[in-house]
Amino acid sequence: GAVVSQHPSRVICKSGTSVKIECRSLDFQATTMFWYRQFPKQSLMLMATSNEGSKATYEQGVEKDKFLINHASLTLSTLTVTSAHPEDSSFYICSAVPGATDYEQYFGPGTRLTVT
Amino acid sequence: GENVEQHPSTLSVQEGDSAVIKCTYSDSASNYFPWYKQELGKRPQLIIDIRSNVGEKKDQRIAVTLNKTAKHFSLHITETQPEDSAVYFCAAQSGGSYIPTFGRGTSLIVHP
Repeated sequence: GAVVSQHPSRVICKSGTSVKIECRSLDFQATTMFWYRQFPKQSLMLMATSNEGSKATYEQGVEKDKFLINHASLTLSTLTVTSAHPEDSSFYICSAVPGATDYEQYFGPGTRLTVT
Repeated sequence: GENVEQHPSTLSVQEGDSAVIKCTYSDSASNYFPWYKQELGKRPQLIIDIRSNVGEKKDQRIAVTLNKTAKHFSLHITETQPEDSAVYFCAAQSGGSYIPTFGRGTSLIVHP
């Protein structure tokens, strides 16, 4: 099946700094990738849809200036959490869809962000 | 937009028992219903899915049923094992969207 990787798997940063998370589709091209945030014991919350070569589409309530998304190639999308605060600590998961007729989303392994 | 309700939030069973998780959805345009298993700190993994032109699908110990009229679908796990312990999410997705709407999740605990 399709493989999606994410890096780093864990990151600890100080409040006020920025953190970049990478999401890569390893064996397929993904024109669209998705970024989710998951708090403990909660469901996945869609943050934004990342489109290759164009601006990301953010869900209501997600600050686009705080969560910068770049999808510069068909295999890479990045999420940068700017000026991180402790409340941004969460599990961030990306996903990608391989093709126009494939409904299944393939998830990355997730990134555990801790802001101190 | 779509709204997916999932019950129960927690399910505790003895090894060997069956487990059933139920979901309802609101958008009649939804036509793809995946189920994901997520172990602590790991990615959600698709365990079974069903499309709206099918009423039931089975894969070894797991099965999913879909009632389009009532807009509900269920996950059935038979002969549960401790390694089935995880959080299970249902989701509903329409053909025109790659974005699933997730249920809140069910924490399944299988006691040995």
